[in-house]
Amino acid sequence: AQTVTQSQPEMSVQEAETVTLSCTYDTSESNYYLFWYKQPPSRQMILVIRQEAYKQQNATENRFSVNFQKAAKSFSLKISDSQLGDTAMYFCAFMKPSGQNFVFGPGTRLSVLP
Amino acid sequence: NAGVTQTPKFQVLKTGQSMTLQCAQDMNHNSMYWYRQDPGMGLRLIYYSASEGTTDKGEVPNGYNVSRLNKREFSLRLESAAPSQTSVYFCASTQAAGLQETQYFGPGTRLLVL
Repeated sequence: AQTVTQSQPEMSVQEAETVTLSCTYDTSESNYYLFWYKQPPSRQMILVIRQEAYKQQNATENRFSVNFQKAAKSFSLKISDSQLGDTAMYFCAFMKPSGQNFVFGPGTRLSVLP
Repeated sequence: NAGVTQTPKFQVLKTGQSMTLQCAQDMNHNSMYWYRQDPGMGLRLIYYSASEGTTDKGEVPNGYNVSRLNKREFSLRLESAAPSQTSVYFCASTQAAGLQETQYFGPGTRLLVL
């Protein structure tokens, strides 16, 4: 069974600074998909970024980028120029090719400080 | 285009009462999902429907039933609510299961069982 671990329950960063959230996972699959979702206080789940394991190039989406290390089974999220609106829970999620659903990590609560 | 909608937003039940959580999507997606989110944990899959007319159990199906009423709607029923079912429930949809499409989430339903 796949597992997803986020070792940082809480983090904080000053506005305009850069922060990196960690995620590791365990799988025997060679191909799979990884996601970062953001959950603000409104509780809506919002897709931040997605990475296909067969792609070596790290995904980027504006201020958000990932560092995908397949051999180490690591998938960290970097947020550049942090903004107050980035304050939220961030969930790392895994999906295998034949899978029907995500396996989510426990989340990291990020606070952006003014 | 409303995306994924859920009703109600908040509900209080007494132990033993029943209720149905409603979910609808207007994106013509084939697959729909029900998750629950407990404090300090990621989302866990309750049931999913890969396509209209099919439903399958997820990780935590006990105490729940589902109905895929049509392509748009996927309901979750608690026949006899228990305090352990106090949680936030999220519905999600995707174009097709197994294609690793991004899942789109509804705003959630907060359920309190006394």
